[in-house]
Amino acid sequence: SQQGEEDPQALSIQEGENATMNCSYKTSINNLQWYRQNSGRGLVHLILIRSNEREKHSGRLRVTLDTSKKSSSLLITASRAADTASYFCATDDSGGGADGLTFGKGTHLIIQP
Amino acid sequence: KAGVTQTPRYLIKTRGQQVTLSCSPISGHRSVSWYQQTPGQGLQFLFEYFSETQRNKGNFPGRFSGRQFSNSRSEMNVSTLELGDSALYLCASNPTGGREKLFFGSGTQLSVL
Repeated sequence: SQQGEEDPQALSIQEGENATMNCSYKTSINNLQWYRQNSGRGLVHLILIRSNEREKHSGRLRVTLDTSKKSSSLLITASRAADTASYFCATDDSGGGADGLTFGKGTHLIIQP
Repeated sequence: KAGVTQTPRYLIKTRGQQVTLSCSPISGHRSVSWYQQTPGQGLQFLFEYFSETQRNKGNFPGRFSGRQFSNSRSEMNVSTLELGDSALYLCASNPTGGREKLFFGSGTQLSVL
């Protein structure tokens, strides 16, 4: 299955700053989700945005979706040391494929105290 | 509610052996899916089960198989292990069988020597 691409691959910022990660994908989708993974552990679901939505907020998270450009962005505001993790976008493709969620390669975010 | 439980946490095997990994979903969740995570290929979908039936299968060889029991617990089996099977195997559950908001376990880290 085709995979999305996150950009950047790695990001290091100071605590308190905002972090922005981007995701591009290749197919038509039902929804796009963002997950967080701490150091080789399981993934934690953060937020889901449907294909007919353009922006969604959850706490310090803001997600945008541009289906015409097949891209999404995740903004984490007022970052904290605990936000250090890898972040993955995942698409639920609408093409009728039976391939589960399609994950991107991830952005490794480091928050420096 | 207890989260998704995967056992064992770590496993070391040699080439040619077979391995069985176990996953207990969140109570009440009837859908279980499996993903393989490697540094090179990222997260790739293996299978999805719902009410003991395999609904979807990813692009993996027949050496990879799985099943789901009546209590929703799932196992996956890899036969004739190859070095390239070394990976973190993640199990995820979902109450309805869709692909929205998966709950992941901490994974089984398999090393093939």
